[in-house]
This record gives sequence, C-alpha cells and structure tokens, in this order.
Amino acid sequence: AQSVTQLGSHVSVSEGALVLLRCNYSSSVPPYLFWYVQYPNQGLQLLLKYTSAATLVKGINGFEAEFKKSETSFHLTKPSAHMSDAAEYFCAVRVSGGYNKLIFGAGTRLAVHP
Amino acid sequence: NAGVTQTPKFRILKIGQSMTLQCTQDMNHNYMYWYRQDPGMGLKLIYYSVGAGITDKGEVPNGYNVSRSTTEDFPLRLELAAPSQTSVYFCASSPGGQGTYEQYFGPGTRLTVT
Repeated sequence: AQSVTQLGSHVSVSEGALVLLRCNYSSSVPPYLFWYVQYPNQGLQLLLKYTSAATLVKGINGFEAEFKKSETSFHLTKPSAHMSDAAEYFCAVRVSGGYNKLIFGAGTRLAVHP
Repeated sequence: NAGVTQTPKFRILKIGQSMTLQCTQDMNHNYMYWYRQDPGMGLKLIYYSVGAGITDKGEVPNGYNVSRSTTEDFPLRLELAAPSQTSVYFCASSPGGQGTYEQYFGPGTRLTVT
C-alpha cells in the first residue's frame, strides 16, 4: 500500500524567507509524486511532478522539490516567500496499478507574514 | 478550453434530500474522479471512471452514486443526504496516456447538509 505524510499542518514564514514544506511517502514500487497548491475557495492546481526523470524538479511560481529515495522524501522548497504564496499545499503519490489514482497527504497551510 | 467545470458552486440541502453534482471536462480525458475534502483530512476518493460506461468505487463511496454516459460528463448523485456529507466536492480528470499521470481539478462544490 502507498501513503503520503505531510509533516506540519501549518507553516508560517516571513516574506522573503525560505519556504520548506515536508512530504514523506511510502511505496513498494518506484513512486510518481506530485505537489498541488490550493488557493482559498479554489480547486487544486499542479505545482510540479516527479516521474522518475530528474530528481530535482522545478515547478511553477519558483517552487522546486527534490526526490530523495534514501529518505523517502519529496520536500517542496522556495528560496524566497511571497505574500501570494499563502495557500494550502498537498503532496500526492500515484497509486500503482493504473488509472492515475492519487493518494493525498492531509495538506500544509502556508501563511506568509510581512 | 474551460478545463474541468463543476456546478453548482454552493448548495444547502436538508437531511434526506437528494441532489446531483455536475462535472464536465472538455479535454477529452479518459479518466475522471470525484473527491471530497474535509478540513485536515486531505482529499478522499469517492468514485472514479476510466471511460464511458465504466465506473468503480474509491475509498469513501457510501451514500453516493455515479454514472458516465459520455467522455465529457461525470455526475455525482447524493441520495438521502446526511450531515456527514457536508464537505467540499472536487471533480478531476486525467488523460490516461503513458507518461501523463497528473490530474486536473475543477473549482469545487461546497455542500452543506442541515
């Protein structure tokens, strides 16, 4: 069975500070991993994805994530937070066996303060 | 392209009433999904479909039904609404081809059952 754990349901950073959102996965097969962002009262938008090519993945809005097999992690980072980054972020793993089903973590709400 | 559209955006139901949440995608995607999102719980898969006429249960199907008569539409039916079905519902779609594993989400329907 596969699963995703996001450490920290709430993260608060200052504008201009490093953003680090943590995601650990469990999978018996090579995983496909995703980060989605949800702005208030909106649907989920794909930030970036790991599909077994490069381990450092760059996404939209200056975000990137590094796949580390030895640590079973796929943490999301951004060097300098902007007020517009305030949102909820979800890590997800594709379920093996097809049909592109995803298992989502519980989410991390990012607050950015001046 | 409109992507994935959902109607209505908001709805209040009384206990025991029924309703259908509409979902349409214009990307010719084979796979479609229904999720519910509850605070602190991430997204849970209710039902999914891999093509017209083919549907299957997800993690939390009780109290819901689906149908898929066309590639574009994937309505979710709630029979005998209960307060436990108060949630935000998201529809998503995915191409289903090799190397394209991500899902694309609609804006959501916020449902309250009182």
